[in-house]
Amino acid sequence: DQQVKQNSPSLSVQEGRISILNCDYTNSMFDYFLWYKKYPAEGPTFLISISSIKDKNEDGRFTVFLNKSAKHLSLHIVPSQPGDSAVYFCAASVGSNFGNEKLTFGTGTRLTIIP
Amino acid sequence: EAGVAQSPRYKIIEKRQSVAFWCNPISGHATLYWYQQILGQGPKLLIQFQNNGVVDDSQLPKDRFSAERLKGVDSTLKIQPAKLEDSAVYLCASSSRNEKLFFGSGTQLSVL
Repeated sequence: DQQVKQNSPSLSVQEGRISILNCDYTNSMFDYFLWYKKYPAEGPTFLISISSIKDKNEDGRFTVFLNKSAKHLSLHIVPSQPGDSAVYFCAASVGSNFGNEKLTFGTGTRLTIIP
Repeated sequence: EAGVAQSPRYKIIEKRQSVAFWCNPISGHATLYWYQQILGQGPKLLIQFQNNGVVDDSQLPKDRFSAERLKGVDSTLKIQPAKLEDSAVYLCASSSRNEKLFFGSGTQLSVL
């Protein structure tokens, strides 16, 4: 049972344009959501997160939007840069108990930025 | 600050053989996790330690997988005997209070 779904395995975007990565979840108990970025041969690194009490969180070029009623979140990258080419994982947890997180990951979306 | 260290980086074994992975978390991180990432899938939690105690091992196939965390620092994950479907990247992560998970680079296991 895939509780966190990323239905687009890959996405190509022109440099300078907006990249939008989508994620859907089925478990209504999830109330904390994160995006991780992964380069080849490296472990995932934390990018940005959002609590269910918010509908938007912004950090520089990265913005995450949460639509609780639709159980949907998205990551916007503006403007997209070649260094953004990576696999992006959406993850969710029940609670944001830092230091004791049990994350459920999606299958990932491979983002390719075209120069 | 040194990151999460894992070894080996790659391992190739035949089915029914045994294999062990090692992880050294970030200094001071009380919580340590082992994740399994099969090709084309997201990481799946296998086991979570808090210091040297197991917090969650509900998704660990205990008939063949075992893990320990010595003195609440380093950890080893063992598979005995390995099956073809165990081919994956095994990721170790650690965290402390008020911090996100930090992942190591992983061990890529191929079972032939």
